[in-house]
Amino acid sequence: DAMVIQNPRYQVTQFGKPVTLSCSQTLNHNVMYWYQQKSSQAPKLLFHYYDKDFNNEADTPDNFQSRRPNTSFCFLDIRSPGLGDAAMYLCATSREYFVTIGYTFGSGTRLTVV
Amino acid sequence: DAKTTQPPSMDCAEGRAANLPCNHSTISGNEYVYWYRQIHSQGPQYIIHGLKNNETNEMASLIITEDRKSSTLILPHATLRDTAVYYCIALPEGGGTSYGKLTFGQGTILTVHP
Repeated sequence: DAMVIQNPRYQVTQFGKPVTLSCSQTLNHNVMYWYQQKSSQAPKLLFHYYDKDFNNEADTPDNFQSRRPNTSFCFLDIRSPGLGDAAMYLCATSREYFVTIGYTFGSGTRLTVV
Repeated sequence: DAKTTQPPSMDCAEGRAANLPCNHSTISGNEYVYWYRQIHSQGPQYIIHGLKNNETNEMASLIITEDRKSSTLILPHATLRDTAVYYCIALPEGGGTSYGKLTFGQGTILTVHP
């Protein structure tokens, strides 16, 4: 089935050691989003790509970067993870920005920082 | 974007209808009401959306009041698998800094019990 796939499902990284989370989609959607969800909180948008155009949220720390080498793949890079970056990271896609098109989310990557 | 207000938690007996309210008293004419849910350790899942008419799909029904200041998501026959956090979101059709970006509030934790 067409879907949004996030790998790995669980990721453990050391404090300060760069880590990359990946997201792939078979939906051929134009927009890809990254959300951060900390324990017992709602998902919070970090940034998104419309095709190759990157859009950062104003309060997203510089420690978080993203790459989208092609339509299918998008990566979240955390340059120097701190303990406060432990969270579930969710990737989502939508065909267009228009409201009538729903988002499709992946199952997320749970990041632990030790 | 219009702020939405939901009760923090609700209970429902299995097999009964679950009626989840959402208040969006400041909603503007071009804002849709979206409902998503997030089952534990999974990504959010689109349920339904509407502008001013009531909507129904295979998952749920959405009832929007005539003045559009509130809505109710109805799960007609709740099952244990419907236990999740339910998010009500008002999203404009276009324009503004929130164009095309899904922003989650705290949602309602629905617990379906046997």
